[in-house]
Amino acid sequence: GAVVSQHPSWVICKSGTSVKIECRSLDFQATTMFWYRQFPKQSLMLMATSNEGSKATYEQGVEKDKFLINHASLTLSTLTVTSAHPEDSSFYICSAIPGTSGYNEQFFGPGTRLTVL
Amino acid sequence: SQKIEQNSEALNIQEGKTATLTCNYTNYSPAYLQWYRQDPGRGPVFLLLIRENEKEKRKERLKVTFDTTLKQSLFHITASQPADSATYLCALPTGANSKLTFGKGITLSVRP
Repeated sequence: GAVVSQHPSWVICKSGTSVKIECRSLDFQATTMFWYRQFPKQSLMLMATSNEGSKATYEQGVEKDKFLINHASLTLSTLTVTSAHPEDSSFYICSAIPGTSGYNEQFFGPGTRLTVL
Repeated sequence: SQKIEQNSEALNIQEGKTATLTCNYTNYSPAYLQWYRQDPGRGPVFLLLIRENEKEKRKERLKVTFDTTLKQSLFHITASQPADSATYLCALPTGANSKLTFGKGITLSVRP
């Protein structure tokens, strides 16, 4: 149980285009999902917290107009990288928490490798 | 400011030995601490959670300790196997909604 999927697993796009990444909890409902970015040999950096039915909470330094997050249902959150540039190339990972307990572990998706040319 | 340190970037050990990974933190008083495993090109996988009132927790060949006075957690893998080779991350709760901050991770290599 507690499986999280991401789609696509990798994407290559031209500079200036927008890319949408989907994160789905397959066998549980998640009121909260998280979006992370990870550069090579670096730790996961939290970008935003996505709550179903409300606006996402962005971490300091993350542009909310560039990284659009929509959490339209209890099993789906999307991250759209708008007007992507080469510096946005990274590994994007989502996670989800079943329930609302503060002690719950996060279940991660397999990640999406974004390359912007 | 809050900080999480994992004491080295890499650890190389012989199969069968015990691997010990360290996670230190400053300016935190976490209610719990988590350890995750991450393989190259994949998302992290949850391994263990230990609460502040627990000194030690075990799961099969894994053992985690939590010393809130030293502000340190130790993660042990006994009878290590090449399949244990991966990056291990510690994570602490910071903020609302179960938000976590991750350490940089330690890459463990177990040689046959």
